Amino acid sequence: SAVISQKPSRDICQRGTSLTIQCQVDSQVTMMFWYRQQPGQSLTLIATANQGSEATYESGFVIDKFPISRPNLTFSTLTVSNMSPEDSSIYLCSVPGLGDNEQFFGPGTRLTVL
Amino acid sequence: GESVGLHLPTLSVQEGDNSIINCAYSNSASDYFIWYKQESGKGPQFIIDIRSNMDKRQGQRVTVLLNKTVKHLSLQIAATQPGDSAVYFCAEKTNQAGTALIFGKGTTLSVSS
Repeated sequence: SAVISQKPSRDICQRGTSLTIQCQVDSQVTMMFWYRQQPGQSLTLIATANQGSEATYESGFVIDKFPISRPNLTFSTLTVSNMSPEDSSIYLCSVPGLGDNEQFFGPGTRLTVL
Repeated sequence: GESVGLHLPTLSVQEGDNSIINCAYSNSASDYFIWYKQESGKGPQFIIDIRSNMDKRQGQRVTVLLNKTVKHLSLQIAATQPGDSAVYFCAEKTNQAGTALIFGKGTTLSVSS
């Protein structure tokens, strides 16, 4: 299984600012996924990030709001831009495993926007 | 309306009881269905999966049942323990390369001693 770490683990931010979340994986992976989990809710896929290409965003998420970087096969960042209280969520990165259905998750970044 | 396998947002059981957690999925083309467990402050962890061509799969203390007719998935936990207390999510996925898991609604399981 992949070991995934995220930084920061939590943060409290002011409205209008931006936060960049880092995701580090202990093995090389072509694909990484970013999810959002709003309070008390399920996980919603934000985007799929392949190394060497533009991220693919799901309906309701746009690059200007959630820019993603994927500089190498073990690292990715997600930026939450121009934050509002509605962005308060847990943000999780995830990578596929060796099997068709495996997917491993980082511990998440808990963001609170005041 | 249909009453079998209604999703409940919370489930409370006594230690030693069997728990049944239900989930309705949306995509009839999904190839895999997976149950995840999420403890407080952690990311989801894989419990058990089932392929779309199966209707039952057993693991250690857990059984997953798949009913494709009504697009329903259930997770049965035998002899529930306090350590089973968590939020449980079902997820679905196709075989198509590059696709991510799509999660259903969660159920918070509380186990009392």
